Amino acid sequence: ILNVEQSPQSLHVQEGDSTNFTCSFPSSNFYALHWYRWETAKSPEALFVMTLNGDEKKKGRISATLNTKEGYSYLYIKGSQPEDSATYLCAFRGSQGNLIFGKGTKLSVKP
Amino acid sequence: DTAVSQTPKYLVTQMGNDKSIKCEQNLGHDTMYWYKQDSKKFLKIMFSYNNKELIINETVPNRFSPKSPDKAHLNLHINSLELGDSAVYFCASSQDLGAEQPQHFGDGTRLSIL
Repeated sequence: ILNVEQSPQSLHVQEGDSTNFTCSFPSSNFYALHWYRWETAKSPEALFVMTLNGDEKKKGRISATLNTKEGYSYLYIKGSQPEDSATYLCAFRGSQGNLIFGKGTKLSVKP
Repeated sequence: DTAVSQTPKYLVTQMGNDKSIKCEQNLGHDTMYWYKQDSKKFLKIMFSYNNKELIINETVPNRFSPKSPDKAHLNLHINSLELGDSAVYFCASSQDLGAEQPQHFGDGTRLSIL
């Protein structure tokens, strides 16, 4: 059974704080690691897809890194804003052909 | 200009009934998916179709039958609904089967079985 673990499960920060969370995935048969942002009452929205060990991607204040050898990815948010409040999902794509999602990290940013 | 739209948004029905959920994407994508968000909030793949052909069927009971009349549509028909089928079902699409292709999700259909 392939497991994708995300930590922490939830996070409460103040506006302006920087934060990060972790996604752990199998280190063998790696094809890609996806990050999605899921706001309440909306659908998951793709943030990043990373395929190479050492990849770093950035979109505005959000960035992600990838270590395929040890099986983890970090998502960083710099200067959190209330509109960053959402659940952040990662998903592992291996040779099995489908995405295996973690449970997500729920971020709440207080003004 | 909704990219992936699924209907209905909510579905409340009795145990034993048959129901369908429709999904359409206007992105010109080749690949479509159905996911179930289970009680523990995990998104789990049920089916994937590529160019109208079934690619993945993740040991879903055969009461669930997907149908893809064309590349832009992937409907989900469920026979003899059971209490355990209550969940949120998400449709998604991607350009193709490539691992690097992000998936685009619909807003979900909340199915409640009475």
